[in-house]
Amino acid sequence: KQEVTQIPAALSVPEGENLVLNCSFTDSAIYNLQWFRQDPGKGLTSLLLIQSSQREQTSGRLNASLDKSSGRSTLYIAASQPGDSATYLCAVIKNSGYALNFGKGTSLLVTP
Amino acid sequence: GAGVSQTPSNKVTEKGKYVELRCDPISGHTALYWYRQSLGQGPEFLIYFQGTGAADDSGLPNDRFFAVRPEGSVSTLKIQRTERGDSAVYLCASSPQAGAVQETQYFGPGTRLLVL
Repeated sequence: KQEVTQIPAALSVPEGENLVLNCSFTDSAIYNLQWFRQDPGKGLTSLLLIQSSQREQTSGRLNASLDKSSGRSTLYIAASQPGDSATYLCAVIKNSGYALNFGKGTSLLVTP
Repeated sequence: GAGVSQTPSNKVTEKGKYVELRCDPISGHTALYWYRQSLGQGPEFLIYFQGTGAADDSGLPNDRFFAVRPEGSVSTLKIQRTERGDSAVYLCASSPQAGAVQETQYFGPGTRLLVL
């Protein structure tokens, strides 16, 4: 059974800092990996999707990397802002699958 | 707004009652998914529809849970004889093509169910 772990569970940083969120998965037979953002009372918003054949994806201040062989992904957020405060979820889809398998998330607070 | 919508946004019920949760996917999306998110946890897969049929219902926890999508658009998740452990946020997602795993799933805001 695929297990997805996210570290740390919670993180508080002052505005302007660069930060890294970590995700690990136990079964490397994945089709892709996605990072989502979840705001309180809201649904999930997809931030970045990395295919298993790719090493990284970038969108604005966000950069996600994938090392499939070691079962790890990182989400790098540059120059953090208070508006980045949210829960960040990592999810993988196994080969020939379609259901997202999520970690528990990292709760991020960026203080002004 | 062309996003996934879910109704009601909140539902409070008593143990043993029957509830229905509705999901309106993005127009034209043929794939629809239900997930359940308990407090402090990530979402867990429940069921996946490809058009009108349930292609995979392996995530449904027991036979008290059932979902339908009769016309390949709106879906209803039905829970019989609710238990306190059913309390969670129920999330619906859709994607354009059935079974295209490389696609992003678009999530609705969820229905927060509380069973007293």
